[in-house]
Amino acid sequence: DAKTTQPNSMESNEEEPVHLPCNHSTISGTDYIHWYRQLPSQGPEYVIHGLTSNVNNRMASLAIAEDRKSSTLILHRATLRDAAVYYCILRDISGYALNFGKGTSLLVTP
Amino acid sequence: DAGVTQSPTHLIKTRGQQVTLRCSPKSGHDTVSWYQQALGQGPQFIFQYYEEEERQRGNFPDRFSGHQFPNYSSELNVNALLLGDSALYLCASSGLGGAQPQHFGDGTRLSIL
Repeated sequence: DAKTTQPNSMESNEEEPVHLPCNHSTISGTDYIHWYRQLPSQGPEYVIHGLTSNVNNRMASLAIAEDRKSSTLILHRATLRDAAVYYCILRDISGYALNFGKGTSLLVTP
Repeated sequence: DAGVTQSPTHLIKTRGQQVTLRCSPKSGHDTVSWYQQALGQGPQFIFQYYEEEERQRGNFPDRFSGHQFPNYSSELNVNALLLGDSALYLCASSGLGGAQPQHFGDGTRLSIL
């Protein structure tokens, strides 16, 4: 399985934008880029996914590099509720397992 | 519209016992996946069910088995429990395919004494 690399932790101030990076240099042409987050004491929550083009939804934006070897999850205005572990996951078009790594622990300070 | 529901929320067992965990998928979803999450770690894939068949399996021993029913709900069974089986067990449901997001329940916390 193609692997992803994320920073262990990041900090942000409340109401500021947050850019969470993810490297995936061995991505294949049939891999979707998925982002999930996990708040304390909850199951993971789907955030966004994309294949080649940038994507926007009500939660976040996903910027995908032209060569697809990296991507960035963008939270436009961080709130305290956005403090969570964020996972960047490559998922084959066949739809098999999500292979979670260690993710990035995001701390949001007032 | 109810999301993914899991039962029970907490469970305490002793070594050697057997346990069954249950999952009801989100309405409209036909694929169910199970994950194990140890404290401080990311979830690890156990297996995925579609059309009542195990479609893919992660690196877990045969003590871990599952079932999917015609209404798409699912059970995870673990036999001969070990102390190392203590974890949060997560169920996720989705449509079929890599573009389909998985929706997770809040898990069953299993403690082995």
